[in-house]
Amino acid sequence: SQQGEEDPQALSIQEGENATMNCSYKTSINNLQWYRQNSGRGLVHLILIRSNEREKHSGRLRVTLDTSKKSSSLLITASRAADTASYFCATDNQGGSEKLVFGKGMKLTVNP
Amino acid sequence: DTGVSQNPRHKITKRGQNVTFRCDPISEHNRLYWYRQTLGQGPEFLTYFQNEAQLEKSRLLSDRFSAERPKGSFSTLEIQRTEQGDSAMYLCASSSGTLGTNSPLHFGNGTRLTVT
Repeated sequence: SQQGEEDPQALSIQEGENATMNCSYKTSINNLQWYRQNSGRGLVHLILIRSNEREKHSGRLRVTLDTSKKSSSLLITASRAADTASYFCATDNQGGSEKLVFGKGMKLTVNP
Repeated sequence: DTGVSQNPRHKITKRGQNVTFRCDPISEHNRLYWYRQTLGQGPEFLTYFQNEAQLEKSRLLSDRFSAERPKGSFSTLEIQRTEQGDSAMYLCASSSGTLGTNSPLHFGNGTRLTVT
C-alpha cells in the first residue's frame, strides 16, 4: 500500500519559476524523505526531514513538515530545465519496519 | 563510491520462463533493498537484507520470487514461472544504516522486465 500521496500529480512551469509539491501521509513517522527520478532511471535522494524538524533547506530545496497534519511540502526555487523529473515523497513508520513507503509521485516539467 | 549497479538493464522474457537479476550495492553498505515499480506508480517494497540475512519480506513477494544475498555483498532476485503481471522495473537500493538512523537509500538504475 502507498502511504504518501503527492499533490499535484503533474506540474508544468517555466524556467526560473518556483515549484511546490505537497505530500500527505497516514501513519506516525520517524522521518520523511523526498526523492527524484529521471525517466527510466533509479531514484536519487534529495532531502530527509526528521519528525522533530519543521523545515529544512538544501541548496534550492526547501522542505517543510507538519506532523499534526501529516503533510510535507517540497519547494524548488528558481527551477531549471534539468529539474524536469518525477518527485516522490517516502515515509518510514515507527513500527520498526525497514520498509520505505513511496507515494505515486509528481511529474514536474520545467520548460526552457 | 561507484554507486549501486544492477544487471541486466533490460530483460525481455516469455511467460513461464525464469529470470534472475543481480544487484551490486555500494561496497560499505550492509543493508540492501529490492523494490518494484510499475508505470505511473511509486516503488513498492519487496524485501530487505542486513548483511546476508533477509529480515523483511513483503506480501508482494509471492512464492515465485526469491532473493538471496549469500555473502552479504551482491544480491540476486529470481522470478520463477514469470507472468505478464511481473512486468515492471525492479529497483535495488542500499544504505549504510537503518531508516531509524535516518539513512537515505541509494538506488541503482533498475532492471526493466518485460514478460511477453
